[in-house]
This record gives sequence, C-alpha cells and structure tokens, in this order.
Amino acid sequence: EPEVTQTPSHQVTQMGQEVILRCVPISNHLYFYWYRQILGQKVEFLVSFYNNEISEKSEIFDDQFSVERPDGSNFTLKIRSTKLEDSAMYFCASSESATGGTQYFGPGTRLLVL
Amino acid sequence: DAKTTQPPSMDCAEGRAANLPCNHSTISGNEYVYWYRQIHSQGPQYIIHGLKNNETNEMASLIITEDRKSSTLILPHATLRDTAVYYCIVAAAGNKLTFGGGTRVLVKP
Repeated sequence: EPEVTQTPSHQVTQMGQEVILRCVPISNHLYFYWYRQILGQKVEFLVSFYNNEISEKSEIFDDQFSVERPDGSNFTLKIRSTKLEDSAMYFCASSESATGGTQYFGPGTRLLVL
Repeated sequence: DAKTTQPPSMDCAEGRAANLPCNHSTISGNEYVYWYRQIHSQGPQYIIHGLKNNETNEMASLIITEDRKSSTLILPHATLRDTAVYYCIVAAAGNKLTFGGGTRVLVKP
C-alpha cells in the first residue's frame, strides 16, 4: 500500500541553524501539507501546497518557514533559523485531489532544537 | 471549519464494539466528517470519512445523523492495538484539517 515517507525520523539542531525536513508524498497525489505537533499538544496545520504554490498557511508559518517541491517526488519544509519553540513532531500529508481527497500522513520527523 | 466536541476519554473491553461519539452542530453543507487516530506520537492514521450517508470500511463504520449534527465511529471488535487518540474532524474537501483534543480510547483485556 502506498504511503507517505519522511526523513529524517529524528533531527537535533542548534538554535539559529537551518533545517530541511523531507517528505515523499504518495506518487499520484497532487496536494501536499505540513502539520506539526508540539509535545503534549494538538496537531496544528502549517501550510498546504498545490501546483507549486502555497494554497493556505497558518499564522505559525512565518517568514522563517518555506516549502518547496524541488523535483517530482520530494516535498520539503525549511526552517531558516530554528528557535527552541520549533521543537516538535512535523508531519507531512498528501491527498490525491482537493475535491474529496483524503489526506494521508507520514510518520513524522521529531525535531529537537537545543 | 466547524468545530467538534468529543469526550476526552473512554475505555473499551477487548473484543467488544467501541462507539465513539462526536458532535458537530455547526457543520456546513460542503463539510465532510473525517475520523483519524494517532497511536503514541505516530502520524495521524486515516480511518474513514463521510458526507451524509453511513460508511463502512475494513477498519470501522461511520454513522452520521440525518441532520448531520453528530456522528458515531464504530470499531466493531476492538483490539489492544486500537488503543489510541481518535479525532473527529469536519472540513471541506481539500481544506486543512483542524485537530481538537480527540478521545483517548483505552482498550482493556
């Protein structure tokens, strides 16, 4: 069964460093999403992406964040200068279509900012 | 997107059916009811979704009331591996999913 994959599974970084989280969505999916979950808190939407453009972003997704689909298979989330409060699980999701397409989530990347 | 209300927790006996309620009284006509679950800190796992009609798949059944203001997720024969946090989410197709606190389900032997 096709699934969303994410790398790395864990990342430890120093405050102020740049990190890139990678996702490989399900192959025929066209809509991509990033969510995050701070330890003990709810899953929060960050951004949605379609046709090489951001469709929607939350207040969390400020100028320190960016997304990119550098090739036909990868979808990346970049945090330019990490802060302590960026420590969280980051989940990528993809869906086949916007109209009735179910979002399928990857296993997540646990980011720890020291 | 409409908000949902779920009980914070519930216990279920292994082998029995688990019925998880969800209220979504402000649901709009174009919004679906989605159910996901999250085991520990794993990625949310899709279970089932519906618009108006009841739905069934290999994992669960979804019963939506006629006025669409509430729904029930039914796990027909709960196993220990069904212990998880279950999220009821209403959203228009393609829109972001807004997760609440969910229902923490503990399946007991």
